[in-house]
Amino acid sequence: AQSVTQLDSHVSVSEGTPVLLRCNYSSSYSPSLFWYVQHPNKGLQLLLKYTSAATLVKGINGFEAEFKKSETSFHLTKPSAHMSDAAEYFCVVIPSWDSSYKLIFGSGTRLLVRP
Amino acid sequence: DAGVTQSPTHLIKTRGQHVTLRCSPISGHKSVSWYQQVLGQGPQFIFQYYEKEERGRGNFPDRFSARQFPNYSSELNVNALLLGDSALYLCASSLEGVRQETQYFGPGTRLLVL
Repeated sequence: AQSVTQLDSHVSVSEGTPVLLRCNYSSSYSPSLFWYVQHPNKGLQLLLKYTSAATLVKGINGFEAEFKKSETSFHLTKPSAHMSDAAEYFCVVIPSWDSSYKLIFGSGTRLLVRP
Repeated sequence: DAGVTQSPTHLIKTRGQHVTLRCSPISGHKSVSWYQQVLGQGPQFIFQYYEKEERGRGNFPDRFSARQFPNYSSELNVNALLLGDSALYLCASSLEGVRQETQYFGPGTRLLVL
């Protein structure tokens, strides 16, 4: 079954330092990959999505992710963390074989930003 | 424009009871999906509906059912509640429910089963 693995359950950074949240996906033909963010008591918000166009995908709030087929990775980065970035981040894949629009979520990475 | 709305925001039930959760998609969106998010985990797909027809079903027991109405709003029903059904239930909508689209999520309904 197609899936994603988020390698860190928690990541802690200082404000103003780079952010790296790691995600690996199981190999598949033409995967669709996403990063969603979930702030406390708020709905999930799409940060960015990869759908086989450019391998470097830019999203909202300064986030970007690079699709690396050779490494089956889709890591999320941001050059400089802000306090408002503290949240839960989910790497998500859509199975290429499924006709329904089913999102498969990773287990999540909680980002803590220290002042 | 209003986003995806869900009601109620919180709910407390006891084991064996039945619950109905409601979702209104973004205006113009025809596809609605339901997800269950247990504390500390990522959301899991339950159902997708498009134009009132079930398009997909996740690995959930038959106690879970859903439907979509002509105005594209949706209900999720859970019968014979178990303690393990305690979770945040999320609804998401999209225009046509296809891969290229963005799914927009509501704030969720938090269900506690005692």
